[in-house]
Amino acid sequence: AQKVTQAQTEISVVEKEDVTLDCVYETRDTTYYLFWYKQPPSGELVFLIRRNSFDEQNEISGRYSWNFQKSTSSFNFTITASQVVDSAVYFCALSEVDTGGFKTIFGAGTRLFVKA
Amino acid sequence: NAGVTQTPKFQVLKTGQSMTLQCAQDMNHEYMSWYRQDPGMGLRLIHYSVGAGITDQGEVPNGYNVSRSTTEDFPLRLLSAAPSQTSVYFCASSSGNEQFFGPGTRLTVL
Repeated sequence: AQKVTQAQTEISVVEKEDVTLDCVYETRDTTYYLFWYKQPPSGELVFLIRRNSFDEQNEISGRYSWNFQKSTSSFNFTITASQVVDSAVYFCALSEVDTGGFKTIFGAGTRLFVKA
Repeated sequence: NAGVTQTPKFQVLKTGQSMTLQCAQDMNHEYMSWYRQDPGMGLRLIHYSVGAGITDQGEVPNGYNVSRSTTEDFPLRLLSAAPSQTSVYFCASSSGNEQFFGPGTRLTVL
């Protein structure tokens, strides 16, 4: 069964601090996909990254970086030099493909507050 | 491209009423899904589909029906609304990579 755990409910940092959001997942499939989404106060869901289970390369995109470790079933997200605009809820998600389609399970989310 | 559109944006129902939340996408995506998001919580999968005529149940399917008669449309039907179904509903579509989400429908059941 799929499961995504985001143990950090809320994180508060001061601007320019680095912050890491944790994500641990469970799956029995060998082929799966991991995602991070951002939900700002306006409510829309913004795609940040997709990783497939065969690609353990870490990725950096500007101030964002992701660390995927299959050995620990983790897909952590780091924001470097955080900014007030980074304040949002961040969701980690796990997708598997079955006969019904793309089945995606979300974690409960981590609310990030970045104070000026 | 309009992407994923959802109607209505807001809806208030009385307990026991039925209604259909509409979702359409113009990206020719095979995969479509419905989620609900309760306050302070993540998204929970209601139903999903791999194409016209094929749907499956997600984490919280009770009280909801779906059908997929075309690639573009994936309506969600509430059979007999209950206060526990008060939530924000998101529809999403995907080609297998990024999921594109609609703007959401905020539903209140009194």
